[in-house]
Amino acid sequence: GQQLNQSPQSMFIQEGEDVSMNCTSSSIFNTWLWYKQDPGEGPVLLIALYKAGELTSNGRLTAQFGITRKDSFLNISASIPSDVGIYFCAGRIRNTGNQFYFGTGTSLTVIP
Amino acid sequence: ETGVTQTPRHLVMGMTNKKSLKCEQHLGHNAMYWYKQSAKKPLELMFVYSLEERVENNSVPSRFSPECPNSSHLFLHLHTLQPEDSALYLCASSQETGDQAFFGQGTRLTVV
Repeated sequence: GQQLNQSPQSMFIQEGEDVSMNCTSSSIFNTWLWYKQDPGEGPVLLIALYKAGELTSNGRLTAQFGITRKDSFLNISASIPSDVGIYFCAGRIRNTGNQFYFGTGTSLTVIP
Repeated sequence: ETGVTQTPRHLVMGMTNKKSLKCEQHLGHNAMYWYKQSAKKPLELMFVYSLEERVENNSVPSRFSPECPNSSHLFLHLHTLQPEDSALYLCASSQETGDQAFFGQGTRLTVV
């Protein structure tokens, strides 16, 4: 299957710091999704992106659909302890059907 | 009431047992999915159903058998599993196949 390279794999940050993570692929995507998964729970959709260059915010979260269509970025501003969790990107490849491919996740730890 | 509900939340089974995982969605969606989540690996799509018909089966061993009696319910029947099948099994639904998916909380399966 398609491989999405998500980085970094893990992050340890102080409360109040900003966070950036990204997802890249060699394929062109027509949709990017960002999910957050808390321990013992299923992933929860944070942001959906549908157009190259699109920038979408959800509270302190901002995600962008890369202009090359091969990457996406997620930023979290002024992190708080409840931001702890694993963040996944998911992408759907143009012209190849409807399956979403998932990244391996970025594990975020926020130190109070 | 959550949108996608999975039961049980935890399951321990022997390799000769037969068990079933259940998923129910209350979102009025037409598509339902089973994913497998193993440590350090991307989510793996197992099965896709659209309007109760299986539309995708990603080379999943026959010891996993899905059933979709109606658009709100999805089952995963398990038989003669292996220890390497231990994982978090996630159910998801979307309005149509290829739309953004909403996940249940998952069933943590341990095969002993």
